[in-house]
Amino acid sequence: KQEVTQIPAALSVPEGENLVLNCSFTDSAIYNLQWFRQDPGKGLTSLLLIQSSQREQTSGRLNASLDKSSGRSTLYIAASQPGDSATYLCAVSERLNKLVFGSGTILRVKS
Amino acid sequence: NAGVTQTPKFRILKIGQSMTLQCAQDMNHNYMYWYRQDPGMGLKLIYYSVGAGITDKGEVPNGYNVSRSTTEDFPLRLELAAPSQTSVYFCASMGDRATYEQYFGPGTRLTVT
Repeated sequence: KQEVTQIPAALSVPEGENLVLNCSFTDSAIYNLQWFRQDPGKGLTSLLLIQSSQREQTSGRLNASLDKSSGRSTLYIAASQPGDSATYLCAVSERLNKLVFGSGTILRVKS
Repeated sequence: NAGVTQTPKFRILKIGQSMTLQCAQDMNHNYMYWYRQDPGMGLKLIYYSVGAGITDKGEVPNGYNVSRSTTEDFPLRLELAAPSQTSVYFCASMGDRATYEQYFGPGTRLTVT
């Protein structure tokens, strides 16, 4: 059974810092990996999707990497801002794109 | 396009009551999913559908039922509500298997007391 773990569970940083969120998964037979952002009481916003054949994806200040063989992904956020404060969820997809989620990292960026 | 819509936004149920959570999408997506999210946790898959008339169980299907009579709608039925079903429920859809991107609705917050 696929299990997804995210470390750290919570992170507090001052504005302007670069930071890394980690995601690991137990079964490397995935179709893709997605990073989502979730604001309190809200739904999920897709940030980046990395196909299983890719190594990384970038969008603005965000960069996500994928190492399938070791079962790891990182989400790098450059020059963090208070508006980046949210919960970040990592999810891997199985057959028929059924997603298995981690428990998330709660990020707080202090101004 | 409205995307994925869910109703109601909030609901309080008494133990033993039943209800249907509605989910609709206007993107002509074949794939639809129901997830639940307990406090401080990630989402877990309840049921999914790969097209009208086809549904299958996910990781946590007990206590729920689904139907998919049209491409647009994918309602989730709770029979005999229990406190363990207190959660936030998200519906999602996916159309293009080339991109595999899932689009999520805003969620339904359900409390069973």
